Amino acid sequence: TQLLEQSPQFLSIQEGENLTVYCNSSSVFSSLQWYRQEPGEGPVLLVTVVTGGEVKKLKRLTFQFGDARKDSSLHITAAQPGDTGLYLCAGDRTGNQFYFGTGTSLTVIP
Amino acid sequence: NAGVTQTPKFQVLKTGQSMTLQCAQDMNHNSMYWYRQDPGMGLRLIYYSASEGTTDKGEVPNGYNVSRLNKREFSLRLESAAPSQTSVYFCATTGGVTGELFFGEGSRLTVL
Repeated sequence: TQLLEQSPQFLSIQEGENLTVYCNSSSVFSSLQWYRQEPGEGPVLLVTVVTGGEVKKLKRLTFQFGDARKDSSLHITAAQPGDTGLYLCAGDRTGNQFYFGTGTSLTVIP
Repeated sequence: NAGVTQTPKFQVLKTGQSMTLQCAQDMNHNSMYWYRQDPGMGLRLIYYSASEGTTDKGEVPNGYNVSRLNKREFSLRLESAAPSQTSVYFCATTGGVTGELFFGEGSRLTVL
C-alpha cells in the first residue's frame, strides 16, 4: 500500500461543475504539495502547503492542509476543459523525501 | 536551460537484460530522485540522493541500483530486467527553499 491515498481515482464531469479531490494518509508530513501532470510529461507543481489548517487559493483552485498535517484536499470551482489532467499529491516526510499519492485522473467535458 | 534531462526516452528490453537510465540536471540542486509511474499507482519513489555521494532507498528499491556520479548526474540501473519493471520512469530534482520537484520528461521502459 502507498503512503498517500487519493480519491476518487477517476473523475469525469461537465464544464462548470465543482469537484473535490482528497489526499489521505496515516502519516504526518512536514509539507504537502499538489502537482498536475499532462500525458507524456512530468508533473508540474501547483502549490505547497506547510501549516496545519492552511488554505491556499490559486484562481479557481483551493487547497487545504488538514489540521493534523495528515491529509489535504483540492477543490476546483467551475471546472474548465483546460483543467483536464492527472492530479497528484505529494508529502514530504523527513526533509526532501517526497512520497506521491495514487493520483486522480480528471476529465472535464465541454 | 534544459532543467532535467533523461535518456533514453524509450527502451524495450528482454527479460534478464540489463540497462541504465541516465539523468542529468543543470539546476545546481543537491537532491535527486528516481520514481516509477504505473497506472493507478501514482509515482512511487525508487531511490533518492540527498547530495553527491549519498543514496537511500525509497518505497520500491528491489531490482534497482543507483549511482550519484556527481552533483549533476544520477543514474538508475536494472541488472536483470523483469516484466514487472515495465513502467515509466521519472527523474526529479529539488534544491530550493520551496521544495518544488522538477521532473524530466520520463523514460518509457518495456520488458518483454
